[in-house]
Amino acid sequence: SYVLTQPPSVSVAPGKTADITCGGNNIGSKSVNWYQQKPGQAPVVVIYYDSDRPSGIPERFSGSNSGITATLTISGVEAGDEADYYCQVWDTSSDHWFFGGGTKLTVL
Amino acid sequence: QVQLVESGGGVVQPGGSLRLSCAASGFMFNSYAMHWVRQVPGKGLEWVAVVSFDGSSEDYADSVKGRFTISRDNSKNTLYLQMSSLRPGDMAVYYCARDRGQTHWFEPWGQGTLVTVSS
Repeated sequence: SYVLTQPPSVSVAPGKTADITCGGNNIGSKSVNWYQQKPGQAPVVVIYYDSDRPSGIPERFSGSNSGITATLTISGVEAGDEADYYCQVWDTSSDHWFFGGGTKLTVL
Repeated sequence: QVQLVESGGGVVQPGGSLRLSCAASGFMFNSYAMHWVRQVPGKGLEWVAVVSFDGSSEDYADSVKGRFTISRDNSKNTLYLQMSSLRPGDMAVYYCARDRGQTHWFEPWGQGTLVTVSS
């Protein structure tokens, strides 16, 4: 089993920058994907392969993976960004998929 | 457009069985591995199972191994999850999702179907 650790909540004022972290053992050796989930909706990928952004996702969303922690950064936060965010990896050793516990982003 | 639509959720007694379906459209279904992911209402996401593009291999989370079976019918563009020996802890919204890329992200997801395990 591979454990991914996220802060339960992050709060940010509109227009500011939100950083949501995801920690895991030797996470730098893995590719991290990020999902946004709004209430009553299915998750949507916002970042894949650490830092790639799918078409249709605003440039305000970016990702990085330093080796110790992966980070989803949302610049110029808007009220519509309020949601739960999950990190996810594929663990090659177990050939299983794992999610972080999720972070609730609150826009003040 | 690419779309996944789950069905088959409902209320089942502990120890009972249920089969979920996921109808795919808008893409070459037989070219992609497919997954089931579940979410207890108000809680986080948990990966459940994966099946290869041709159905020749599958794998499961430890929490469901031996009780759940994932399968697919490429002639019908449909993914299945046969669940047996259901427990209260299996109560969740079940999503199907397409496997993408070398880093295996999930895109898109279906809208989910709710499984309630209760006597």
